[in-house]
Amino acid sequence: EAQVTQNPRYLITVTGKKLTVTCSQNMNHEYMSWYRQDPGLGLRQIYYSMNVEVTDKGDVPEGYKVSRKEKRNFPLILESPSPNQTSLYFCASSPTRRTEAFFGQGTRLTVV
Amino acid sequence: SQQGEEDPQALSIQEGENATMNCSYKTSINNLQWYRQNSGRGLVHLILIRSNEREKHSGRLRVTLDTSKKSSSLLITASRAADTASYFCATLGGGSEKLVFGKGTKLTVNP
Repeated sequence: EAQVTQNPRYLITVTGKKLTVTCSQNMNHEYMSWYRQDPGLGLRQIYYSMNVEVTDKGDVPEGYKVSRKEKRNFPLILESPSPNQTSLYFCASSPTRRTEAFFGQGTRLTVV
Repeated sequence: SQQGEEDPQALSIQEGENATMNCSYKTSINNLQWYRQNSGRGLVHLILIRSNEREKHSGRLRVTLDTSKKSSSLLITASRAADTASYFCATLGGGSEKLVFGKGTKLTVNP
């Protein structure tokens, strides 16, 4: 089944404790991206990747890192999480940047 | 910013009625996409319309695009309770690598 898989689905962590949210797609898509969704603000893009080893900042990249060492995986790294990073996070992939996006089921992160 | 803005923010209708949601944006686009999100879940792609297209259909969905007015509309005909969800438009600018989402319209279809 074609899908984008995020893990974990739910995470509660403490301020400053490094964490990684994994994202994997099995559709051989070139384009992958991370979004955060907050009430009243909609979805905002954090980082995107056009292909392996090609990543760039989205609209809200501060406090996040990403890597794209393999085509299928695009992990989101929070080196030192803070409470303002409490949010619902989505990973998405597309065949190219101009086509429809396929979304993962989301990761609800709480930083206390 | 080319962010789309949906209107209305919330819409409540009865089953069987039609639902119309609008999206306005600010700059030229390559394409505009509509997505649906059931509460707290991942977004699901509905329709993509390119800047040189004016109308597209998919089942009970009809999307129009007016590039002169920088606006799009999503019409859901004969709505069902299962259509209850939030609907988002997203725009891809001509020279942009980023898909930019609006804040969404929350649709409630009452049985």
